Amino acid sequence: AQSVSQHNHHVILSEAASLELGCNYSYGGTVNLFWYVQYPGQHLQLLLKYFSGDPLVKGIKGFEAEFIKSKFSFNLRKPSVQWSDTAEYFCAAEYGNKLVFGAGTILRVKS
Amino acid sequence: SQTIHQWPATLVQPVGSPLSLECTVEGTSNPNLYWYRQAAGRGLQLLFYSVGIGQISSEVPQNLSASRPQDRQFILSSKKLLLSDSGFYLCAWSGGFSGANVLTFGAGSRLTVL
Repeated sequence: AQSVSQHNHHVILSEAASLELGCNYSYGGTVNLFWYVQYPGQHLQLLLKYFSGDPLVKGIKGFEAEFIKSKFSFNLRKPSVQWSDTAEYFCAAEYGNKLVFGAGTILRVKS
Repeated sequence: SQTIHQWPATLVQPVGSPLSLECTVEGTSNPNLYWYRQAAGRGLQLLFYSVGIGQISSEVPQNLSASRPQDRQFILSSKKLLLSDSGFYLCAWSGGFSGANVLTFGAGSRLTVL
């Protein structure tokens, strides 16, 4: 079955700490991968995406993600988080016309 | 620019009543359209998607149905609501200028079934 799993549901960090959110997807041939973010009170929005090419992709606000094909993983990273990064983060994989989301990770950054 | 409208924003309905949530997209043509349900701790569950007028794919068996009567209109319906239908429903579109694969979400509709 097509599925996406995110390793942590809640993460609490202090400002300036490094962040890594895990994401694994089920095999489905060629898969496009995404991270979406939902800030408090706002719409879901795209953070970054991977279609092909360099497996290390850069997104907005200093986020990056690395696609590791052998591990079916697409982990999200940021070297130094800020209070404004407090949000819920969703990993997603595209299978054909369908975008399948993980359960989400709520990140709280303490100032 | 492209915009997506979703309404109503909130809805409280009794069990057994019908439901109609509407979603329209402006500024693009022939978009892919999606209905998701967002539940705390469970992420976004894909309910329906459509690649064209009258073309609906259902992802999970449930009490809901979807229709696409016009190119940029997507409707989520139920004939008789259940308590378990309560949730936050998101419409989204992809295609056009934003790229074939990136989803743009609406503001969502919060449904409470009593």
